[in-house]
Amino acid sequence: DTEVTQTPKHLVMGMTNKKSLKCEQHMGHRAMYWYKQKAKKPPELMFVYSYEKLSINESVPSRFSPECPNSSLLNLHLHALQPEDSALYLCASSPQESFDYGYTFGSGTRLTVV
Amino acid sequence: SQQGEEDPQALSIQEGENATMNCSYKTSINNLQWYRQNSGRGLVHLILIRSNEREKHSGRLRVTLDTSKKSSSLLITASRAADTASYFCATDAVETSGSRLTFGEGTQLTVNP
Repeated sequence: DTEVTQTPKHLVMGMTNKKSLKCEQHMGHRAMYWYKQKAKKPPELMFVYSYEKLSINESVPSRFSPECPNSSLLNLHLHALQPEDSALYLCASSPQESFDYGYTFGSGTRLTVV
Repeated sequence: SQQGEEDPQALSIQEGENATMNCSYKTSINNLQWYRQNSGRGLVHLILIRSNEREKHSGRLRVTLDTSKKSSSLLITASRAADTASYFCATDAVETSGSRLTFGEGTQLTVNP
């Protein structure tokens, strides 16, 4: 298995809703990442997990809450989002948190906040 | 802040032609990577070149790195319509703690059949 699987593919949520994005990989990778990408813009790093521990938080608002329950799974919990949070949310993984490796990306979750 | 900047922002060529995209960055890097993204999809890793390497090939792709000029180029030879996508360079800077891959603004490549 050489894939990163993200669910759901599309999500529409109201500003008072709570929802979660899920990311799964079975490649034995020990580093996992969340990126946010607005239309016609490059991906921007949000969080890095290394060996299931939060390694980097790029000053992301607390309405985004990451969780890494095990080495294969990464969640992003969403609460009280704003319309400007609408974007493509991309999950990625790499063998380790190291500059020696390229990342494997999932296809993303297209999030719309109404 | 975004480390890499791509040039050109958009490129339109005919099938069979070569496509060259350039990337410039600001700080010292551990490596530079190139990714492809089809519209609205995830990114696909194409190639990684380390700071002590000058050139790397993978199939129809050729990447060069000039650390003295802080620049890289991606050449796609004999382009195909299926190469139509956005291409991003990404850098992993030396001075940041942890692996923090930062993407450039991207080049939108259109290959016309």
